[in-house]
Amino acid sequence: AQSVTQLGSHVSVSEGALVLLRCNYSSSVPPYLFWYVQYPNQGLQLLLKYTTGATLVKGINGFEAEFKKSETSFHLTKPSAHMSDAAEYFCAVRTGGGNKLTFGTGTQLKVEL
Amino acid sequence: DAGVIQSPRHEVTEMGQEVTLRCKPISGHNSLFWYRQTMMRGLELLIYFNNNVPIDDSGMPEDRFSAKMPNASFSTLKIQPSEPRDSAVYFCASSPQGRSYEQYFGPGTRLTVT
Repeated sequence: AQSVTQLGSHVSVSEGALVLLRCNYSSSVPPYLFWYVQYPNQGLQLLLKYTTGATLVKGINGFEAEFKKSETSFHLTKPSAHMSDAAEYFCAVRTGGGNKLTFGTGTQLKVEL
Repeated sequence: DAGVIQSPRHEVTEMGQEVTLRCKPISGHNSLFWYRQTMMRGLELLIYFNNNVPIDDSGMPEDRFSAKMPNASFSTLKIQPSEPRDSAVYFCASSPQGRSYEQYFGPGTRLTVT
């Protein structure tokens, strides 16, 4: 079975600082991995995805993530945080033959002045 | 392009009443998913459809919940009778042919059952 674990339910950074949100996965098959962002009172929005190929994946709003098979990780980073990045971020892995996603428990990112 | 459309955005109802949530997927998408989000349980997949056919409803909590997709542009999630523990945000998502893992979410319906 495939699953993801997000370390840290709350992360706080200063504006302009590095953002690092952690995600580790468990999968018996080559994983497809995703990061979604949820702004208050909105649905989830796809930030980026890894399926095959290049292990460093770039997404929207300056975010990127690197697939590291040896570490079973897919951490999300952004070099410089902006106030507008404050949101909840979900890591997800494809499961169930390819049509389903299993989501992590989410990490709430707070950006302080 | 219009995204996934859900209605109503907010629903407040009394225990025992029937509730119907509606979803219009993105045009051309052939997979549709219903999720429920709560603080306690996070984001849970309830059911998903492929080409209007229910494929996996193992996440539907109990017989009080039912979902239909009569055509490619409309789906409903019905709760009858509703209970306070059904209070949650319900999301609909759709995905394109061949990339069913790439899901696009609607804004959600916040359901409160008193």
